[in-house]
Amino acid sequence: DIVLTQSPALAVSLEQRATISCKTSQNVDNYGISYMHWYQQKPGQQPKLLIYEGSNLASGIPARFSGSGSGTDFTLTIDPVEADDIATYYCQQSKDYPPTFGGGTKLELK
Amino acid sequence: EVQLVESGGGLVQPGRSMKLSCAASGFTFNNYDMAWVCQAPKKGLEWVATISYDGSSTYYRDSVKGRFTISRDNAKSTLYLQMDSLRSEDTATYYCARITREFAYWGQGTLVTVSS
Repeated sequence: DIVLTQSPALAVSLEQRATISCKTSQNVDNYGISYMHWYQQKPGQQPKLLIYEGSNLASGIPARFSGSGSGTDFTLTIDPVEADDIATYYCQQSKDYPPTFGGGTKLELK
Repeated sequence: EVQLVESGGGLVQPGRSMKLSCAASGFTFNNYDMAWVCQAPKKGLEWVATISYDGSSTYYRDSVKGRFTISRDNAKSTLYLQMDSLRSEDTATYYCARITREFAYWGQGTLVTVSS
């Protein structure tokens, strides 16, 4: 299985930039597509898709969210951070079965 | 608007069975692969099973193979998860999700608690 590694928590100030990293145990790119996706989950809610295929913004997601990276190193950036962004963020790969998730990064306020 | 509404969760004893349902609306159900993803209390997300758009192919995580069965009724726009021989470690919120390459849309989840 492909293992995705995220830092458990990140403390950030409002209106600053947050960068959340995700490292994979194997390359998740194939034919120019990064099979890496990002989700936001607030307490008591279902996850919501933010970024798909590495850098594509999902429908209805604000432009302050962006995704980058390739191969085994990926980043979710939130710039600027707003109060509503306090949540847990998960990366997920779909290059190989089984689809796997990172352990999640809890975004906290400084 | 895409809507996925799970039902069927609750408290069940170890070794017993439970069947979850996910009613889909707002899109052409039989055009999409569908999946179940679970989340144990205070834990992260784990993929459980996937079924192809026409039901011809199914995939399972190792820990549920032989115990869980994913199925769908395209005429009813409904996804199912039959869970047999339940164990305490199956306790989780179960989400259904619509798949493209990513889990694009999620239901609100249904909690399954396996306990005596």
